[in-house]
Amino acid sequence: RKEVEQDPGPFNVPEGATVAFNCTYSNSASQSFFWYRQDCRKEPKLLMSVYSSGNEDGRFTAQLNRASQYISLLIRDSKLSDSATYLCVVFEDSGYALNFGKGTSLLVTP
Amino acid sequence: DAGVTQSPTHLIKTRGQQVTLRCSPKSGHDTVSWYQQALGQGPQFIFQYYEEEERQRGNFPDRFSGHQFPNYSSELNVNALLLGDSALYLCASSLFDRGVDQPQHFGDGTRLSIL
Repeated sequence: RKEVEQDPGPFNVPEGATVAFNCTYSNSASQSFFWYRQDCRKEPKLLMSVYSSGNEDGRFTAQLNRASQYISLLIRDSKLSDSATYLCVVFEDSGYALNFGKGTSLLVTP
Repeated sequence: DAGVTQSPTHLIKTRGQQVTLRCSPKSGHDTVSWYQQALGQGPQFIFQYYEEEERQRGNFPDRFSGHQFPNYSSELNVNALLLGDSALYLCASSLFDRGVDQPQHFGDGTRLSIL
């Protein structure tokens, strides 16, 4: 079983829509979680960290459920510029390596 | 404030050759990690360097080796290249902080193609 699993996608949504991505992780000892965004043929960029209490950054909301080992990302009022691949990332419990999911592709259309 | 820089941006090699990729970390960072990203996949951890030592290694063969220099920059070397080594190689830097997992910041990557 892969350590970090994400919705397969792709997600095609119209501008203004709300879209949610889900991710599960297998190592219950993991302590730190992130969402990264990757544009086509570019490097991953940190979108936001994910905290147990949940956190919000503008139109983006991230949630963590440790009991279910589940992470989510909600994007409200989607913009064309949100089109990208969203990578769910879990720090190994060693604290050194990042474990990436395969990514979920989002295409926001006019 | 310079971010993570990698060189070269693109490279074409043939099977059996050797390659060296280079990375300069973001200013103020002391830790460098290398990842391999195949097409359609998430990045896979190769290894991490801190204080000029390999601190952790992922599931990659010994053909993959690295080095970190006193100025924190790093090199990734791959010997006896295989077709399957074709990928985007990403360098990420961070500042080691005991007890706190610091997010890693990525360079633009080196796209390696093996013919």
